[in-house]
Amino acid sequence: QQPVQSPQAVILREGEDAVINCSSSKALYSVHWYRQKHGEAPVFLMILLKGGEQKGHEKISASFNEKKQQSSLYLTASQLSYSGTYFCGTGAFSGGSYIPTFGRGTSLIVHP
Amino acid sequence: KAGVTQTPRYLIKTRGQQVTLSCSPISGHRSVSWYQQTPGQGLQFLFEYFSETQRNKGNFPGRFSGRQFSNSRSEMNVSTLELGDSALYLCASSLQSSGANVLTFGAGSRLTVL
Repeated sequence: QQPVQSPQAVILREGEDAVINCSSSKALYSVHWYRQKHGEAPVFLMILLKGGEQKGHEKISASFNEKKQQSSLYLTASQLSYSGTYFCGTGAFSGGSYIPTFGRGTSLIVHP
Repeated sequence: KAGVTQTPRYLIKTRGQQVTLSCSPISGHRSVSWYQQTPGQGLQFLFEYFSETQRNKGNFPGRFSGRQFSNSRSEMNVSTLELGDSALYLCASSLQSSGANVLTFGAGSRLTVL
């Protein structure tokens, strides 16, 4: 099943903060976050692994709550360049390989 | 370092035709996965190839197929096209097939079925 993202859309002014949530009905091994600008490829932001290891973007942070099967992406002091659609990706192992599943995305618009 | 290259970028087909899309991964990446992106469903996993073998497959009909060559380049094919197949098809490459690996996406092939 697809992870559920909330909110579906966020509109901010430059400098404001935003939180995007991602919830899964299945136990999480890892959570990936990507940002896609209109007409462009999704770009990697952050990966959070079970056990707490986190790798990614220096100005964007995220949390990973394994018990609640949730992850949150924190965008602080947002910049115009943060505008885009944010996707979380989760997944499960099947037959020894990993099957990724992405949420439907959260559209973020940052105004000057 | 070259990114993931997808060709063609845009194409228009009619119902019943077939289409082949190509993906060249980042040099050294052995895993290539394919996704269908539509406004209603978001990114949906089609299949993944690793070292020329299909590792896993998403919930799509058999009209969707793919393959990977020895140089890790991959192709996906959709036969008997339907209007609902109109979408952006993205491929992504990674070093290995694992939930801990970062995916690098191509810009996609936008397919319109008339």
